[in-house]
Amino acid sequence: DTAVSQTPKYLVTQMGNDKSIKCEQNLGHDTMYWYKQDSKKFLKIMFSYNNKELIINETVPNRFSPKSPDKAHLNLHINSLELGDSAVYFCASSPAIGTRPGYTFGSGTRLTVV
Amino acid sequence: GDSVTQMEGPVTLSEEAFLTINCTYTATGYPSLFWYVQYPGEGLQLLLKATKADDKGSNKGFEATYRKETTSFHLEKGSVQVSDSAVYFCALVPIGGGADGLTFGKGTHLIIQP
Repeated sequence: DTAVSQTPKYLVTQMGNDKSIKCEQNLGHDTMYWYKQDSKKFLKIMFSYNNKELIINETVPNRFSPKSPDKAHLNLHINSLELGDSAVYFCASSPAIGTRPGYTFGSGTRLTVV
Repeated sequence: GDSVTQMEGPVTLSEEAFLTINCTYTATGYPSLFWYVQYPGEGLQLLLKATKADDKGSNKGFEATYRKETTSFHLEKGSVQVSDSAVYFCALVPIGGGADGLTFGKGTHLIIQP
């Protein structure tokens, strides 16, 4: 049973399109995240959701919007895709605030915008 | 803000060599510290962690000790194998953890030659 699962694993799309990446966790964690890994492997947090409330938004363009229908899911919607959006996107989850920190990552979605 | 600095790569070693990957951090208080590993084409896996000063994290022959006085968390392994070739990320989460997410270093690409 995969703890944090993302779909799709690969996504190739044209500039200007709108796409979504899905993420689900079965760990019972309270907080979920989206990270972006650029071509130089640098990882940066994009969003954090705790109990369906957005609590971090790290100057990400508003073309990116996280959607969390419930505690176990955090989807990433991207509108009007640009070449610079090409990257690997990782979903992650962690347990409740104040507990010992532990983060579990999905296997990533490689997005290529052409 | 918080930051993590890792030695630049790639680091190339022969099999059975001793490995050290340096990591220093800047953070308020006492963050929790992590090493993650990313094998080619895969997601991030937690390698080890330490949550307070002088703690030693260890896993799969790798070790790192939380040094508050030098704000460091260097990764070591006594005898590396070809299968250890990967990108290694040092990361921290602020005290209190949880929803703040991980702050990553830029990653160190390790290449082990037979």
